Amino acid sequence: SQTIHQWPATLVQPVGSPLSLECTVEGTSNPNLYWYRQAAGRGLQLLFYSVGIGQISSEVPQNLSASRPQDRQFILSSKKLLLSDSGFYLCAWTEYRGTQYFGPGTRLTVL
Amino acid sequence: KQEVTQIPAALSVPEGENLVLNCSFTDSAIYNLQWFRQDPGKGLTSLLLIQSSQREQTSGRLNASLDKSSGRSTLYIAASQPGDSATYLCAGNRLAFGKGNQVVVIP
Repeated sequence: SQTIHQWPATLVQPVGSPLSLECTVEGTSNPNLYWYRQAAGRGLQLLFYSVGIGQISSEVPQNLSASRPQDRQFILSSKKLLLSDSGFYLCAWTEYRGTQYFGPGTRLTVL
Repeated sequence: KQEVTQIPAALSVPEGENLVLNCSFTDSAIYNLQWFRQDPGKGLTSLLLIQSSQREQTSGRLNASLDKSSGRSTLYIAASQPGDSATYLCAGNRLAFGKGNQVVVIP
């Protein structure tokens, strides 16, 4: 069966510090991968999606970036965090036009 | 760009009542629609996926319908239980999400 992992589960970072969140998927090949952010009281915002290694599409301009160094690994990064980057970050995967599965999420607080 | 709206934003029902949650979307060229459940502080759990060629999907007490012509999907939960308390989200093309229906089932 397929499994999706995210770490860390929670993170508290000062403004201006770097960020690296990792997501890995097991049990499938060539998945479509996604990063979402869910801010308090707001809906899910799609940040990045990837249909293959090295292929990243950005949905919203911001100070975040994403990379996909391996087929089942998706990384969300920032060089300098802003207060507005606080939120709940969710990684997800799908097969082509199939069911979407989400990871457990990372709660990021920027102080 | 696909926009998804969910009504009502929040509702409370007594245990045993049926729940009807509505989702509307702007792009009728939808190839599937998915319903999710989210518990506080948790990730999303997939409930049902309806392909564009289907009219409905059922799983246990859950039934979801899709009407592409009117741009609507409805999630129906029969005989609600306190454990059904959660936020329910729908997502359409390009995985545009609604803000969710926050449900509280009162014992």
